[in-house]
Amino acid sequence: GDSVTQTEGQVALSEEDFLTIHCNYSASGYPALFWYVQYPGEGPQFLFRASRDKEKGSSRGFEATYDKGTTSFHLRKASVQESDSAVYYCALGPNTNKVVFGTGTRLQVLP
Amino acid sequence: EAAVTQSPRNKVAVTGGKVTLSCNQTNNHNNMYWYRQDTGHGLRLIHYSYGAGSTEKGDIPDGYKASRPSQENFSLILELATPSQTSVYFCASGDAEGRYERLFFGHGTKLSVL
Repeated sequence: GDSVTQTEGQVALSEEDFLTIHCNYSASGYPALFWYVQYPGEGPQFLFRASRDKEKGSSRGFEATYDKGTTSFHLRKASVQESDSAVYYCALGPNTNKVVFGTGTRLQVLP
Repeated sequence: EAAVTQSPRNKVAVTGGKVTLSCNQTNNHNNMYWYRQDTGHGLRLIHYSYGAGSTEKGDIPDGYKASRPSQENFSLILELATPSQTSVYFCASGDAEGRYERLFFGHGTKLSVL
């Protein structure tokens, strides 16, 4: 079935570090790809999406490029801030209505 | 702004008891979802609905029922709660059909079954 594999566990960085959270997917057809972010005490919220090969999604300084060849949608940010500390979920939207989420990656940014 | 409201925010239940988690959305979205969130598992889909009167099983439906009496409301029911159902539960509504669907989540319900 459709699945998403992302960087496991926790990533700890210092402010102004470069961030990469890896996301790879397995799906039939041509899924849409998403990143969601979850701040403490809140539900996940949509960050951005991409729906075709080589399309770049971006929001709040984060970006990811849909790569059908490597089945990837890695999240990157050039300079993280303490306020970026959160859990990040990669997800895919297959041809059904059921979004498939990865297991989440906790980002901790130290001041 | 899209709004999904869950109640209660926290719930303590006893083993074998009945628990009902409620969700209300003001987005007029057809699709609604219930997820549970556990460390190491991320978000797992329990039940979902395409509209009033419809409920469908997700990936982990055992031990849960769902009810969608109206476009706005979607409930998750644990008829006989067990400690393994201790978790954080999220309701969401979806804004589109098919693969482009963007989900709007509530703030979650933390359930402890003792």
